[in-house]
Amino acid sequence: SQQGEEDPQALSIQEGENATMNCSYKTSINNLQWYRQNSGRGLVHLILIRSNEREKHSGRLRVTLDTSKKSSSLLITASRAADTASYFCATDGGTSYGKLTFGQGTILTVHP
Amino acid sequence: NAGVTQTPKFRVLKTGQSMTLLCAQDMNHEYMYWYRQDPGMGLRLIHYSVGEGTTAKGEVPDGYNVSRLKKQNFLLGLESAAPSQTSVYFCASSFGQGAREQFFGPGTRLTVL
Repeated sequence: SQQGEEDPQALSIQEGENATMNCSYKTSINNLQWYRQNSGRGLVHLILIRSNEREKHSGRLRVTLDTSKKSSSLLITASRAADTASYFCATDGGTSYGKLTFGQGTILTVHP
Repeated sequence: NAGVTQTPKFRVLKTGQSMTLLCAQDMNHEYMYWYRQDPGMGLRLIHYSVGEGTTAKGEVPDGYNVSRLKKQNFLLGLESAAPSQTSVYFCASSFGQGAREQFFGPGTRLTVL
């Protein structure tokens, strides 16, 4: 079963605009991670936020986590055409061994 | 460092044939994982390993076997391929205990006819 559910499934914006993607999950977590996948490539880790953190920044990325609502959001500011990719959230389900459950992903298209 | 590599990149099998996918990492990671990705879906965990000589089932283990004889290698085997196993397979690794990011290989695209 897919613990992470992402919204929207697809997002199309112009360069320079901000992109926001949301993720909801069902069980308790130790941490939540966001990954990017360019077409035909493997996933690349973007950012990890722990369950006791509410917000984290990395460059143009801002991630928030609301454990009471079991949801997270990824904000990409001042988007670029190179940000065009699929974005996935992944949760560890509160377990050890680093097993991740991925959402279905959001396909982001940034038009030049 | 090459990171995580996967062999082969592409493969076409006939139903009933067998094959082994090889994953290798040069980062001295303890944990390794095999996922499959189907169109419109996220990744689903097939099997994983928390150290040399250990393996465990993930979310969708049926029809697959794995082995971790060496720390740096994680093999995924299909004994009798079925069309439902047509997918893109990704291997990943991570340092181990604690909140850790996973490093992914480039994937193997498998088609079973």
